[in-house]
Amino acid sequence: DVKVTQSSRYLVKRTGEKVFLECVQDMDHENMFWYRQDPGLGLRLIYFSYDVKMKEKGDIPEGYSVSREKKERFSLILESASTNQTSMYLCASSWVGTGGGSPLHFGNGTRLTVT
Amino acid sequence: ILNVEQSPQSLHVQEGDSTNFTCSFPSSNFYALHWYRWETAKSPEALFVMTLNGDEKKKGRISATLNTKEGYSYLYIKGSQPEDSATYLCAFTYGGSQGNLIFGKGTKLSVKP
Repeated sequence: DVKVTQSSRYLVKRTGEKVFLECVQDMDHENMFWYRQDPGLGLRLIYFSYDVKMKEKGDIPEGYSVSREKKERFSLILESASTNQTSMYLCASSWVGTGGGSPLHFGNGTRLTVT
Repeated sequence: ILNVEQSPQSLHVQEGDSTNFTCSFPSSNFYALHWYRWETAKSPEALFVMTLNGDEKKKGRISATLNTKEGYSYLYIKGSQPEDSATYLCAFTYGGSQGNLIFGKGTKLSVKP
């Protein structure tokens, strides 16, 4: 079974802090994704990566950056955390592109609170 | 703006009832339709990925159909059980095999014993 591991389940940070959310997958998947989930909204894509050192903006990239130095690890960075970034963050990976029939495998999520 | 609509938003059924949900999506530039189940305190789990018009998939008591020409998919649960209680997410990929996956807001199902 594919395992996608997010480094923290719960995180509390202060406004203005730089925040790192880490995600590791163990199945040699090409694609990795970062989503956020907010009440009343669907999962929204922040960034994705289809190869090492490659990244593409999703629907809501503002205030975020990402890093993929190794195939198995995809980091989400909040350069200067703000209260509107309080949310549930989900990492996912897929073998090939989702349009090619490959499902997403999700981590357990990180609930981030910015105070 | 591309949108995925799911209905109903929530559903309460009794154990043993059969139920179904709808997912509507833009029919142009379609590549794949995904269904996920998201139980509380767990991660979303893939149920089905469908790519062809007319596709029907089944996994135990759960099945799904796809109509890409009119832009909808149905998810059916036969004989609902309390363990089926979860939020069911639909998502579609457009614009290519590496295209963006757009999620709906989900249908929250509660099954009472």
